[in-house]
Amino acid sequence: DSGVTQTPKHLITATGQRVTLRCSPRSGDLSVYWYQQSLDQGLQFLIQYYNGEERAKGNILERFSAQQFPDLHSELNLSSLELGDSALYFCASSVGVSKDNEQFFGPGTRLTVL
Amino acid sequence: GENVEQHPSTLSVQEGDSAVIKCTYSDSASNYFPWYKQELGKRPQLIIDIRSNVGEKKDQRIAVTLNKTAKHFSLHITETQPEDSAVYFCAASYTGRRALTFGSGTRLQVQP
Repeated sequence: DSGVTQTPKHLITATGQRVTLRCSPRSGDLSVYWYQQSLDQGLQFLIQYYNGEERAKGNILERFSAQQFPDLHSELNLSSLELGDSALYFCASSVGVSKDNEQFFGPGTRLTVL
Repeated sequence: GENVEQHPSTLSVQEGDSAVIKCTYSDSASNYFPWYKQELGKRPQLIIDIRSNVGEKKDQRIAVTLNKTAKHFSLHITETQPEDSAVYFCAASYTGRRALTFGSGTRLQVQP
């Protein structure tokens, strides 16, 4: 167990819908990263938050957004869902941005768009 | 941006043999190189990492080597066991950008 939690474990929804994925980082970690894992694209970085502020953006679609709350948990919002959004979404956390790079992954949320 | 290439995509070895997975990266600024093991349907688990100020790091049966000049790094697993069967990912990042860029993964199968 990495100490990173994600809910829900599974999500099945229809095209055009909107969903919210939730992540709680390890105790003491200030950075949260979101990654998407699909069969054809592998593991891809979406977005990073550090202590409530957006820090870096990767291959995140405009239909997707995220935020990190004062208690450091983070939510990833996916809207106008398409079939191709079906994937495993992982959250990872690390202590900060200046020294420690180790990222620890949560169990993931499997999103299926029908 | 950073690009990480990983080879081979699949690797089958006999139990007790060694396995080697290789990665190359494009951005010379990258200074942190972790390796993750992912079992089917599970989260990636950090198994070892190396920073650019060292050339080799070992942890029991697992070792990683880094060649900064050639921009490549490798994972070595000795005395492989069936429980080593999984997908292994290499990744790279640097001080100014902590987000990981992953390789495409290597499916390792250890035959008993």
